Amino acid sequence: DVKVTQSSRYLVKRTGEKVFLECVQDMDHENMFWYRQDPGLGLRLIYFSYDVKMKEKGDIPEGYSVSREKKERFSLILESASTNQTSMYLCASLADSSGNTIYFGEGSWLTVV
Amino acid sequence: ILNVEQSPQSLHVQEGDSTNFTCSFPSSNFYALHWYRWETAKSPEALFVMTLNGDEKKKGRISATLNTKEGYSYLYIKGSQPEDSATYLCASLDGAGSYQLTFGKGTKLSVIP
Repeated sequence: DVKVTQSSRYLVKRTGEKVFLECVQDMDHENMFWYRQDPGLGLRLIYFSYDVKMKEKGDIPEGYSVSREKKERFSLILESASTNQTSMYLCASLADSSGNTIYFGEGSWLTVV
Repeated sequence: ILNVEQSPQSLHVQEGDSTNFTCSFPSSNFYALHWYRWETAKSPEALFVMTLNGDEKKKGRISATLNTKEGYSYLYIKGSQPEDSATYLCASLDGAGSYQLTFGKGTKLSVIP
């Protein structure tokens, strides 16, 4: 059974803290994504990666960075968390083919106080 | 940024009613159209991936059609059941070799017993 695992489901962090959100997939997928989901705004792409050490900005990369040192792991980093980064973060992965489906993690709910 | 629109934003139907929603997307550089079903507190679940104009796909009581020339897809649910209550997301993948999926904001379906 395919699996995308997000290590933290619920986090509360203080403004200015550095936050790491980890995502691991066990399907040997080339492509991994980080989205955030906010009410009324849908799923918005933050960053994606199509290979180890490769990364591309999505639609809303400001305030975030990412790391892909190993194929199975894609980390989202908030260098200095702010209250407007309170959101639900969703990781996903996709094999390198147009006909494949994207597989999602269960989401990480981050509250920045 | 691709503009993927879904309508309606939300929908309430009685159990047993059939319903449909729309996803519109830019038809230029089209590569694939994805539909996902997202229940609260769960990961989005893949329903369909469609790539060819005129594609029709079916999964139980749920089916989808695709018109790439005019840039729209319909999702149909026949005989809605309470367990169909969820948010239905469509996502467009543009251009060969690019795996940046752009999601619509979703249609929230509530099926009233």
